[in-house]
Amino acid sequence: NAGVTQTPKFRVLKTGQSMTLLCAQDMNHEYMYWYRQDPGMGLRLIHYSVGEGTTAKGEVPDGYNVSRLKKQNFLLGLESAAPSQTSVYFCASSGGRQGAYEQYFGPGTRLTVT
Amino acid sequence: AQSVAQPEDQVNVAEGNPLTVKCTYSVSGNPYLFWYVQYPNRGLQFLLKYITGDNLVKGSYGFEAEFNKSQTSFHLKKPSALVSDSALYFCAVRPTGRRALTFGSGTRLQVQP
Repeated sequence: NAGVTQTPKFRVLKTGQSMTLLCAQDMNHEYMYWYRQDPGMGLRLIHYSVGEGTTAKGEVPDGYNVSRLKKQNFLLGLESAAPSQTSVYFCASSGGRQGAYEQYFGPGTRLTVT
Repeated sequence: AQSVAQPEDQVNVAEGNPLTVKCTYSVSGNPYLFWYVQYPNRGLQFLLKYITGDNLVKGSYGFEAEFNKSQTSFHLKKPSALVSDSALYFCAVRPTGRRALTFGSGTRLQVQP
């Protein structure tokens, strides 16, 4: 039981390049989330999904897109990376009624945009 | 709009002493409240949660938290700190009917031997 996994662990992009971050969970959770973590700002929600085929915007969605084609996977895309997107990205999942249970987090992806 | 405040950027405590990490929240309705811990270069780990019921909640690694509705607080406590408790602690709130968490900015706990 791996829990929540994220690939890649590290990535360096140049401004304007694109990339996709992959999150996978093996706990059969309906809810999945993408956060970014910046110093002194805690975690901020980018997008989330309440089930396969659904996505919704969070607090800071601009510049990101997501897809949930399979229940166990949640992809985060950056179409044209900007230095302001330099951050650590965490994926999480949760179960229970309306995802009310605690969230389980992946190990994070450290992204640097130059 | 909902918000979570962790008023202390850092808390220093000596090993063996009790510790408190503060959290206050501002949400409508009855919130779900959570504490998470983050060790260096790791993801967040769940410590404990308050959904309903007893105001004193016990969690992992000897931590507990007290829900105080009148003061809108959910402070994290431990009777005797360990050096290994040194980490970054996050409080989070989920208002009922909402589907995502709002996190505080985090408090760094430093336990000195």
